[in-house]
Amino acid sequence: QQKVQQSPESLSVPEGGMASLNCTSSDRNFQYFWWYRQHSGEGPKALMSIFSDGDKKEGRFTAHLNKASLHVSLHIRDSQPSDSALYFCAASERASSSFSKLVFGQGTSLSVVP
Amino acid sequence: GPKVLQIPSHQIIDMGQMVTLNCDPVSNHLYFYWYKQILGQQMEFLVNFYNGKVMEKSKLFKDQFSVERPDGSYFTLKIQPTALEDSAVYFCASSLDWGNYAEQFFGPGTRLTVL
Repeated sequence: QQKVQQSPESLSVPEGGMASLNCTSSDRNFQYFWWYRQHSGEGPKALMSIFSDGDKKEGRFTAHLNKASLHVSLHIRDSQPSDSALYFCAASERASSSFSKLVFGQGTSLSVVP
Repeated sequence: GPKVLQIPSHQIIDMGQMVTLNCDPVSNHLYFYWYKQILGQQMEFLVNFYNGKVMEKSKLFKDQFSVERPDGSYFTLKIQPTALEDSAVYFCASSLDWGNYAEQFFGPGTRLTVL
């Protein structure tokens, strides 16, 4: 069973539009979330982390976490063609006794159409 | 920004051979990781490494796998012998700190094909 599920698998939005990506953890131990973005030919790069309930905004990117439902979303406003990439949600365990490891979702492929 | 480099970008070998994947982590980072991504599947944690020791490993980290970072040089993943199911993209990552709050910086990956 996959611990981290992402939806949709792929998404196409017009330039200047809003892109919304979703992620859910099925394991209550995994409730620290990261969003990573991967452009073709590159490694994943961290966009932002969110560990507390509510919203976290960084520029055009807003993450929202609901710990009760273990659901996290990423919203990209004023989407640009350069935002076209693969977006991964990753979760880490609540317990800090173990060294960090990330559990990744399967990714959402975002295409921003000019 | 900080960059992690991986060498080579592609490697094709015959089943049963040994392969070493090299990772050049961010210079001041102390914690190192390997992840494996089979085509069409999600990236999965293999192992993390600190101060010359494996701290944690997953079930995917088979006995044929080993990691080391001799004298602060490359952080390496060695597979000996390789099997067909080892074909995947292997991502190296490094972080300055450990724990939930530590950002991991990833390399571009090494695509390993075992024939």
